[in-house]
Amino acid sequence: GQQLNQSPQSMFIQEGEDVSMNCTSSSIFNTWLWYKQEPGEGPVLLIALYKAGELTSNGRLTAQFGITRKDSFLNISASIPSDVGIYFCAGEAAGNKLTFGGGTRVLVKP
Amino acid sequence: DAGVIQSPRHEVTEMGQEVTLRCKPISGHDYLFWYRQTMMRGLELLIYFNNNVPIDDSGMPEDRFSAKMPNASFSTLKIQPSEPRDSAVYFCASSFFGPSGNSPLHFGNGTRLTVT
Repeated sequence: GQQLNQSPQSMFIQEGEDVSMNCTSSSIFNTWLWYKQEPGEGPVLLIALYKAGELTSNGRLTAQFGITRKDSFLNISASIPSDVGIYFCAGEAAGNKLTFGGGTRVLVKP
Repeated sequence: DAGVIQSPRHEVTEMGQEVTLRCKPISGHDYLFWYRQTMMRGLELLIYFNNNVPIDDSGMPEDRFSAKMPNASFSTLKIQPSEPRDSAVYFCASSFFGPSGNSPLHFGNGTRLTVT
């Protein structure tokens, strides 16, 4: 089946830093979604992307739908402590169900 | 909008016991999904319903798992008999349209199941 490779698996952030994460697939996707999950809660949708090349922002978050339709990137600018959590990408191929990546765990540098 | 409501939040049970997880989707959403989340396998779709009818249950691990949606505002996921490997967080999600990304999923806060 389709698989999404999300990287990095985890990262440490320092307040004020810009961070980025990405998702790649061997298959083409028509839609890319980015979710954030905080402890004890379900994933919450951050950004949805529907066209190849699309660049969409939501506050300090920016995501892009790769031109090849096989990848997507999420950037967080000027990170703050509440950005910690697990970020998931999800992709949808034509007529198929969503496939989720394994998640990127964002932690605060001690 | 109260969001997707799941109960219980935590369930601890012994191997062999029956477990029932409950979900109330967002009013007006025609699709309801059950997902399982584990460290090893991430988020896996178990089954989804459209207008209370099961559409795709190919993700249900085995016959010990069953799901029902008797009406538009309630669904259950049952495991009988439960096994330790069923320990996971089970999420319910709902959306206006189908399982594709055009109608993003709204997740509940999950039920953390521990089978000892």
